Formats: sequence, C-alpha cells, structure tokens
Amino acid sequence: AQKITQTQPGMFVQEKEAVTLDCTYDTSDPSYGLFWYKQPSSGEMIFLIYQGSYDQQNATEGRYSLNFQKARKSANLVISASQLGDSAMYFCAMREGFNDYKLSFGAGTTVTVRA
Amino acid sequence: DARVTQTPRHKVTEMGQEVTMRCQPILGHNTVFWYRQTMMQGLELLAYFRNRAPLDDSGMPKDRFSAEMPDATLATLKIQPSEPRDSAVYFCASGLGSGVEAFFGQGTRLTVV
Repeated sequence: AQKITQTQPGMFVQEKEAVTLDCTYDTSDPSYGLFWYKQPSSGEMIFLIYQGSYDQQNATEGRYSLNFQKARKSANLVISASQLGDSAMYFCAMREGFNDYKLSFGAGTTVTVRA
Repeated sequence: DARVTQTPRHKVTEMGQEVTMRCQPILGHNTVFWYRQTMMQGLELLAYFRNRAPLDDSGMPKDRFSAEMPDATLATLKIQPSEPRDSAVYFCASGLGSGVEAFFGQGTRLTVV
C-alpha cells in the first residue's frame, strides 16, 4: 500500500496567488514526521517544511505552511504569494517511528507559476 | 556552507561495466541514505546507514548493487554489472539521527547504454 499519496500530478498557479498541494499518508505508527521537499528543474532536492505527529500547531516557514489534519491523515502544503521561482516538482514524504529515519516519498506534484 | 557532495554528477557507461558513485555527507551527520529516482518509480530508498552501519538495504538489488561507508566522510554505491534499467538519478542524503530533515546532494545522473 502507498504510504504517501499525492493526487495532483500537475498544477498551474498565477503569480502572487496561493496554491495548495495535497498529500495524504497512511501509517499505524503514532509517531511520525511529515516533510515537503522542492525539486526545481536543476534536480536538487530542497527541504521546505516539517510537521511532527505530536505537534499541536501547523508548521510554517516563510511563505510555506503545512495544513496538518491528523484525523484525515492529510498534510497539505500551502505556498502563499507564488513566485516564478516556485515552479518545480514538490514531494511529500513521511518518516515513521522514533528510531527509523528513512523517508517514504509520494509521486510528486509539478507546479508551474504563470506570470 | 555545509552540503552533501556527490560525484560524479553525470555518468554514461556501457552495459556490463562497473559504476561507483560517491557521497561525502555533511560533517557530523551520522545518518546517510541512498535514493534512486526514476520517472516510473519515483524516489525509492536503496540503502540507509547510521553511524556507518547499514540499517536497511532492502530496497537494493543485492545481486548487483552494494553500498558501503568506508569511513564517516565517504559513502559509496556500486553497481556491477550495470544494466540499462539502472539508468536513473541517484541521490545521497545525510542527517543527524536526532534531527528532522535529511539534506540531499545534487545527485548522480547515471545512463547505462
């Protein structure tokens, strides 16, 4: 079974608008972490934001925020005030348990920001 | 500017040849991962080390792939013999065991012809 599901293969967004990227996850472990990474066309993987399963508040990092809905097992990424440089592939990932640090990745969502 | 360094960045080789990819993790990081990215399979974990000991290599084809950490500053991934289906981008990432994120290198783009 897929641990991380990203249902949107590609999205277009107008510059300066907000965009929400969907991510749902599947785990029976009460302790887990959720991550978002950005992969621009140059290929590197850039860490954006992290949410722990016990965190009470939604994580925010600059223009990135994570809409964490634990009961629904969703961890959507919101990018506010989109910029042309936000055009990239975005991956949701999960780490399960206290002692296991490997990440399981979703299939990714391609975001294209239009001027 | 601490970063994970991977070499080579690009490699084209003929089927049957040995390929060695190298990774220098961020100094002080004790967890190292190897991931493979393809269009069809996305990002797959191949192997994962903590304190230089292999913890999980279940994602790696054992007959042709091997991963080692000869010392704390070097991780290697070898393919012998290489096959066209091994063509992919191979990422190394490192992190602190108690830390949150894994930092990725820029990847090695391998093409096996």
